[in-house]
Amino acid sequence: GAVVSQHPSRVICKSGTSVKIECRSLDFQATTMFWYRQFPKQSLMLMATSNEGSKATYEQGVEKDKFLINHASLTLSTLTVTSAHPEDSSFYICSAPRTGIGADTQYFGPGTRLTVL
Amino acid sequence: AQSVTQPDIHITVSEGASLELRCNYSYGATPYLFWYVQSPGQGLQLLLKYFSGDTLVQGIKGFEAEFKRSQSSFNLRKPSVHWSDAAEYFCAVGASGSARQLTFGSGTQLTVLP
Repeated sequence: GAVVSQHPSRVICKSGTSVKIECRSLDFQATTMFWYRQFPKQSLMLMATSNEGSKATYEQGVEKDKFLINHASLTLSTLTVTSAHPEDSSFYICSAPRTGIGADTQYFGPGTRLTVL
Repeated sequence: AQSVTQPDIHITVSEGASLELRCNYSYGATPYLFWYVQSPGQGLQLLLKYFSGDTLVQGIKGFEAEFKRSQSSFNLRKPSVHWSDAAEYFCAVGASGSARQLTFGSGTQLTVLP
């Protein structure tokens, strides 16, 4: 099946630093990828849509200057949390759609646990 | 805008018992519906999906789901639960008739008793 990887799986950083999270589609190309945020015991909330070759599209309420997204290639999207603060601590998950019969199916990465001290 | 409701926050069943997880959606057209499972520390794994055709969909790990348009439901079922099925289950609907952008329900935590 399709595989999406994320790196790192877990990161701890000091308040004020920036953290980069990578999302890769390993066996297929993805012109679009999605970034979600999941708080403990809660559902996934879509943060933004990463578009290869163009600017990301952010959901309402998501600060684009804080959560920088770069879709560098057809297999790689990065999310950079700039000047991280404790409230940014969360589980960040990316996904990539793969074209299938009928419509695309989203394949999810394993997630990145960010802890900001 | 589409939305998904999973009425049950937490369900507990005994191993070997049958399981049904409820999912109701709101969407103006024919929805694309999905069930995902998330184990602790793991990413989401697709269990099954419905796009069109047969309303009873078979998935992996012995799961199935039935699309009922009249009830706006897409409930997940399994005839006999295994201890390894303990996890968080999410129902999702594809936006604008596509799976590209998903809206998730709040999830149902399944506990399996020995």
